[in-house]
Amino acid sequence: GAVVSQHPSWVICKSGTSVKIECRSLDFQATTMFWYRQFPKQSLMLMATSNEGSKATYEQGVEKDKFLINHASLTLSTLTVTSAHPEDSSFYICSAIGTGSVSNQPQHFGDGTRLSIL
Amino acid sequence: AQSVTQLDSQVPVFEEAPVELRCNYSSSVSVYLFWYVQYPNQGLQLLLKYLSGSTLVKGINGFEAEFNKSQTSFHLRKPSVHISDTAEYFCAVSPGNYGQNFVFGPGTRLSVLP
Repeated sequence: GAVVSQHPSWVICKSGTSVKIECRSLDFQATTMFWYRQFPKQSLMLMATSNEGSKATYEQGVEKDKFLINHASLTLSTLTVTSAHPEDSSFYICSAIGTGSVSNQPQHFGDGTRLSIL
Repeated sequence: AQSVTQLDSQVPVFEEAPVELRCNYSSSVSVYLFWYVQYPNQGLQLLLKYLSGSTLVKGINGFEAEFNKSQTSFHLRKPSVHISDTAEYFCAVSPGNYGQNFVFGPGTRLSVLP
């Protein structure tokens, strides 16, 4: 149980386009979801924290207008990279905190999305 | 604020040999401690965690870690590694609110050689 699914797993697009990444909790309700960014051979950097039905809290230095986060339901959060440029290319990982029986794990991670902007 | 140091960026080891991946942390408050593994192009999988109680924690895949408060360390060990253990390993701390506000270390690349 406690599976987090990310879609797509890999996306390549042209500079200037917007890209949406979905993060779904498949078998539990996610009260809080996190979005991380990981550069090659580096650690995860928290971008933002989102709670269902409220605005996301962005970490310092993360442009909220660039990285739009929507947590519209207890099972879905989306990250939209607007007007993407090559410097936005990275590996994006989401995670979720559930309630009830799954709360023994701190965060459940998705498999990540590799974004490549040409 | 918290910080996590993983002194070894890369650790090569032969198959069936023991391995220790080092993790030190800095925090002015009590923290929870975690080790995660990341296989190529995948998310993170929890190996083990320390919340309280016994300082020796056993996790999945034969890994264990020992919390040493005086040395602020949480080193990960495995007595005999397999090729399939080749991956990136991250140490992380979470202060106060369980599961929130993770701070990850820079990671250690474990390469198991045949």
